[in-house]
Amino acid sequence: SYEVTQPPSVSVSPGQTARITCSGDSLPYQYSSWYQQKPGQAPVMLIFKDNERPSGIPERFSGSSSGTTVTLTITGVQAEDEADYYCQSADSGGTSVVFGRGTKLTVL
Amino acid sequence: EAHLVESGGGLVQPGGSLRLSCVASGFTFSGYWMTWVRQAPGKGLEWLANINQDGSETYSLFSVKGRFTISRDNAKNSLFLQMSGLRAEDTAVYYCARAQRGLLLSYYYYNMDVWGQGTTVTVSS
Repeated sequence: SYEVTQPPSVSVSPGQTARITCSGDSLPYQYSSWYQQKPGQAPVMLIFKDNERPSGIPERFSGSSSGTTVTLTITGVQAEDEADYYCQSADSGGTSVVFGRGTKLTVL
Repeated sequence: EAHLVESGGGLVQPGGSLRLSCVASGFTFSGYWMTWVRQAPGKGLEWLANINQDGSETYSLFSVKGRFTISRDNAKNSLFLQMSGLRAEDTAVYYCARAQRGLLLSYYYYNMDVWGQGTTVTVSS
């Protein structure tokens, strides 16, 4: 089955840059998205099609792709960015969806 | 503004059935793929099923095939998840989400841009 892998946790100090990676053999052939989820809340889409940002999402959130790895970058991390982050992609037919296991971002 | 509201969750005994509903507003429901995603307590997001705009195509996670069925009623702006043979491991918050699916530069994209607040299903005796 198709899988994507994220680190379980990332820690960063306020104002620094956080990078969360997601790896998978099929990522060069499918687009990926990123979601932020805070405790007790529904996920929010931060990035889609690897690097596009929906309206209303702060510019400090950006996405990139290189080979089998996609990366969510948060520039100038704020305390409010402490949350779980999930990468998501789909199979070659764009019908079956896969999520990474999530990365807990801790703002020190 | 696009909005999704789930309902139908609750406490059910192992082996029981439940039908979740998701009502959409603020957008043309019939123009979008829709998705169900769940999250077990303390765990990550797990995709369950997708359905295309007119309901003619459905796709689901292998482990729930035959137990969970996704459907929609575009006249009522509603998405459904019929669940049967429920097990303790099905205990989770169930989210519906609006999806964008397409083909760009020979590769597919599938992303979920609007989410409901979730409905909780507890399977326990």
